[in-house]
Amino acid sequence: DIQMTQSPSSVSASVGDRVTITCRASQGINIWLAWYQQKPGKAPKLLIFGASSLQSGVPSRFSGSGSGTDFILTISSLQPEDFATYYCQQTNSFPYTFGQGTRLETK
Amino acid sequence: EVQLVESGGGLVQPGGSLRLSCAASGITVSNNYMNWVRQAPGKGLEWVSTIYSDGNTYYADSVKGRFTISRDNSKDTLYLQMNSLRADDTAVYYCARGVGDFQDWGQGTRVTVSS
Repeated sequence: DIQMTQSPSSVSASVGDRVTITCRASQGINIWLAWYQQKPGKAPKLLIFGASSLQSGVPSRFSGSGSGTDFILTISSLQPEDFATYYCQQTNSFPYTFGQGTRLETK
Repeated sequence: EVQLVESGGGLVQPGGSLRLSCAASGITVSNNYMNWVRQAPGKGLEWVSTIYSDGNTYYADSVKGRFTISRDNSKDTLYLQMNSLRADDTAVYYCARGVGDFQDWGQGTRVTVSS
């Protein structure tokens, strides 16, 4: 199975900050990576697919980059509604696997 | 607009069975790749199972042989039959649409396995 490791596990930031979250795959997955945002008690929401493609309706302050084993989610200017938990997921092969999550908290 | 509505969760004893349903609107289930993803209390996301539009099915090792994914094309409904349930199956179960990445999700249904 492909293991996905996110860092950091949690991060504190303020509105307006630039935030980056890293995801590393245990083996190469080309660009087959997705990013999700999840708020408490809610279903996850797809933000990025194919490592860097923005899902329809997602604000442009979210961006994704990377290929192979190393990937980054960037939020260019944090908004109050962005405080949530973020997960990466490899979509290269079964079993699909997720990172452990990164909790983005207000500083 | 795509809507996915799960139902069928509840409290069940270890070794018991439960069938989850996911009623879809705005899409034709048989034309889509449909999935189940679960989240144990306070934990991360875990992929459970996928059914392709051609009917091929895939399972996580943790549920293989115990869970069965299926669909009713006439009802545009996805199912997850869960047998031999264990305490570590306790989770919120989500149905989701998408091939690989999951673009649409239901609100989830809670399954608790406990005596």
